[in-house]
Amino acid sequence: QKEVEQNSGPLSVPEGAIASLNCTYSDRGSQSFFWYRQYSGKSPELIMFIYSNGDKEDGRFTAQLNKASQYVSLLIRDSQPSDSATYLCAVTGTASKLTFGTGTRLQVTL
Amino acid sequence: DAGVIQSPRHEVTEMGQEVTLRCKPISGHDYLFWYRQTMMRGLELLIYFNNNVPIDDSGMPEDRFSAKMPNASFSTLKIQPSEPRDSAVYFCASTTDRRPYEQYFGPGTRLTVT
Repeated sequence: QKEVEQNSGPLSVPEGAIASLNCTYSDRGSQSFFWYRQYSGKSPELIMFIYSNGDKEDGRFTAQLNKASQYVSLLIRDSQPSDSATYLCAVTGTASKLTFGTGTRLQVTL
Repeated sequence: DAGVIQSPRHEVTEMGQEVTLRCKPISGHDYLFWYRQTMMRGLELLIYFNNNVPIDDSGMPEDRFSAKMPNASFSTLKIQPSEPRDSAVYFCASTTDRRPYEQYFGPGTRLTVT
């Protein structure tokens, strides 16, 4: 079992819709959770982080964390074509290490 | 700030050759990470440094890989000898001790070993 699992997609949503990206993790000791966005041919960039159970909102993005169920999700409201990218979920392991999932490719269609 | 700088951006080499990838972290950052990304395995941590000291190299695939950080502004990842299966994009990332998980990635080096 992989430590961080994501559906590879592609997840296709129409412009203006809500995109829902999900991630599960295996290490119950994980403390911090991150979403990175990676455009094709570019490097990952951090867009959201969450440390506590519940929701965290930042503009059109909402991160949701449920430690009991070991899942974290990212909601993108009013999806735009510019949101089309691969979204990487990352969780903390030991020390300062991040463990990344393989990413979900999101396509926002016109 | 210029961000994390990596060189070269692209490297094509023949099997058996030595490859050296370079990274300059963001000034003032205490942590430096080397990752490898492939379609099959995703983004994998190879090694990371804190204050120029290697902390965890458990992700380094084998003895052919080595990394150094001689000072706070420079790190190298060396592959000797290179093999076709080393073909990947290699990213360097850095961050501060205050927020160790919020990593800033460089543009990456795309390595092709033929």
